[in-house]
Amino acid sequence: LAKTTQPISMDSYEGQEVNITCSHNNIATNDYITWYQQFPSQGPRFIIQGYKTKVTNEVASLFIPADRKSSTLSLPRVSLSDTAVYYCLVGVTFSGGYNKLIFGAGTRLAVHP
Amino acid sequence: EAQVTQNPRYLITVTGKKLTVTCSQNMNHEYMSWYRQDPGLGLRQIYYSMNVEVTDKGDVPEGYKVSRKEKRNFPLILESPSPNQTSLYFCASSPSAGTGYEQYFGPGTRLTVT
Repeated sequence: LAKTTQPISMDSYEGQEVNITCSHNNIATNDYITWYQQFPSQGPRFIIQGYKTKVTNEVASLFIPADRKSSTLSLPRVSLSDTAVYYCLVGVTFSGGYNKLIFGAGTRLAVHP
Repeated sequence: EAQVTQNPRYLITVTGKKLTVTCSQNMNHEYMSWYRQDPGLGLRQIYYSMNVEVTDKGDVPEGYKVSRKEKRNFPLILESPSPNQTSLYFCASSPSAGTGYEQYFGPGTRLTVT
């Protein structure tokens, strides 16, 4: 199963762009890269998903290089409410089309005034 | 509002007293799953269900049971709770197992077993 490595914690200030990089050296050909956000005492929330190159939605951008061994979640102009734990996941697809999420320790982002 | 609900949100119980944590989703999702979250261990999958009457073990199924009699409900049963089952539990759902990367999580149930 693919394993991910990401920084344990990061600090930023309001209005800055935050980039969180995740390594997944053993990613398989059919694996997607997915990011979740979790606030204290709440369930994780899906942010973005990608396979290669760049994906952008209203919340974030996801950059994936050609070799797909890493990915970078970019949060533009963070605010205090973006303080949360961010999980990088490489989903594993089993036979029959079942996709399994494997959560790691995540990156604890603290946004300061 | 599309959501996953869990009840109760908080529960303190004693060893051996059977309990059920309910989970319900109103999005007509086929796939549902239970996770537990413990400090330093992240989220680990307990059981999942790909559709009504179809359930299977996740990574840490010991001490838990589930059932999926209706599409919207996926209760988690602890027949004889033990202190090592003290944890934060999350139910999640997804339109199908094939789109399982995007899961919708409930608010969580904090269980304490003394």
